[in-house]
Amino acid sequence: EVQLVESGGGLVKPGGSLRLSCAASGFTFSNYTMNWVRQAPGKGLEWLSSMSSRSSFIYYADSVRGRFTISRDNAKNSLYLQMNSLRPDDTAVYFCARDRVGYGDLDYWGQGTLVTVSS
Amino acid sequence: DIQMTQFPSSLSASVGDRVTITCRASQGVRSWLAWYQQKPEKAPKSLIFAASNFQSGVPSRFSGSGSGTEFTLTISNLQPEDFATYYCQQYNTYPRTFGQGTKVEVK
Repeated sequence: EVQLVESGGGLVKPGGSLRLSCAASGFTFSNYTMNWVRQAPGKGLEWLSSMSSRSSFIYYADSVRGRFTISRDNAKNSLYLQMNSLRPDDTAVYFCARDRVGYGDLDYWGQGTLVTVSS
Repeated sequence: DIQMTQFPSSLSASVGDRVTITCRASQGVRSWLAWYQQKPEKAPKSLIFAASNFQSGVPSRFSGSGSGTEFTLTISNLQPEDFATYYCQQYNTYPRTFGQGTKVEVK
C-alpha cells in the first residue's frame, strides 16, 4: 500500500525556518517524481515544487522560489522541504504527493502537516 | 503561467442528480488535466487523469472529458459520499496550476 506521511509542521515566527519531511513507503520511491502542494486555511490547492526521481529536475512556484528548497534522499525514501524566511501567508497545510508515472498528475497524497507562521 | 478557472464555484444538488463541473485553461494543455476530490480535513484524492482516465477504484459514475482549454467532470447519479470539493489541475507545463475548486453541497 502506498503511504506518504508528512511531519515537521508547527508554529514558527515570521522570518523563521522549518523543515518538512515526507516518509514514503509501499512503492519504489527512487522511481518517482515527488511534489509539495499546500492549502491555506479555507483556500484552494497551490502547487509549490517538484523534484524528479534522481533530483535532475527541480521546479518551484514563484511564491516560494528563493525561500523554499526541495530535496530528497532516495536511500531513506524521504522527501524534504526546507522553508526559510517564512511569512504569515505561508500558513497552510503542506502535502507531499507522488507523480503518476508517465503522466504527471498526482496519484497519491499524504495526509498533510500544518505550518502556522505567526508572532 | 496557465490560469485554471472552474465554474461554478459551488453548487447545490440532491442525491441522484447529475452534476457537471467545468474547468477552463487560459492556454491549451492538451489532455494533461486531472481532477481531484477533497473532503473536509482530508487530503485530496485522485479521480481522473489525462482528462478522461479513471484512477483505480473510482466509481464509474464519475467521468471526465475535454482537451485543449475546456474540460468537464460529470458525476451522474450523485451519491451521499460525493458531497465534497473538486479541483482541476493542469500538468502540461510548470508551474502546475489548480483551479479554485467547486464545492458540491447538499440541496
